[in-house]
Amino acid sequence: GQNIDQPTEMTATEGAIVQINCTYQTSGFNGLFWYQQHAGEAPTFLSYNVLDGLEEKGRFSSFLSRSKGYSYLLLKELQMKDSASYLCAVREREPDRGSTLGRLYFGRGTQLTVWP
Amino acid sequence: NAGVTQTPKFRVLKTGQSMTLLCAQDMNHEYMYWYRQDPGMGLRLIHYSVGEGTTAKGEVPDGYNVSRLKKQNFLLGLESAAPSQTSVYFCASMRLAGPYEQYFGPGTRLTVT
Repeated sequence: GQNIDQPTEMTATEGAIVQINCTYQTSGFNGLFWYQQHAGEAPTFLSYNVLDGLEEKGRFSSFLSRSKGYSYLLLKELQMKDSASYLCAVREREPDRGSTLGRLYFGRGTQLTVWP
Repeated sequence: NAGVTQTPKFRVLKTGQSMTLLCAQDMNHEYMYWYRQDPGMGLRLIHYSVGEGTTAKGEVPDGYNVSRLKKQNFLLGLESAAPSQTSVYFCASMRLAGPYEQYFGPGTRLTVT
């Protein structure tokens, strides 16, 4: 099983930096994903971490610590269009199927509001 | 290249009615998934498929059935709809060999009265 926890809501102002945390408990960890979802739309992929450390992609960065069961998504130079829900998802290996990919378990999402 | 498409986009059902949601992907992905998303609950996996002719249960499979007769299509069926199945349903697909991101369809908003 798994237990994924992230804050429900966050607010920030344009141009600022915001960090969205995600903690998880799972057996057979096999990767952590961050997705962005605007209201009424489908989730879109932001980042993927499977090893410890920081992955940077433009204004967005994602960090993973497997030993602590912890990840964060860092958004820099915030823009109004960054107002969205940010979903943390953990992939868990399925030992009984022998698959290294397994299923994806999503947290409940963090609603970020960016104010002018 | 349409990616992942879902049919229909909206539907209203009466309790007890049945319907099938269709998901199609043109990326030749092996994995396909059906999720439901409810306010405050996040995305929850209903069923998924690792290849043509195979399906498996997710976290919340009760009241749903699925079929994957063709690699590009994944059908989600509700045999007897209940108000508790009012939700937004998302289909997703993923390539077996990576990268391991899931591509989502636009969603189907279902209301059961």
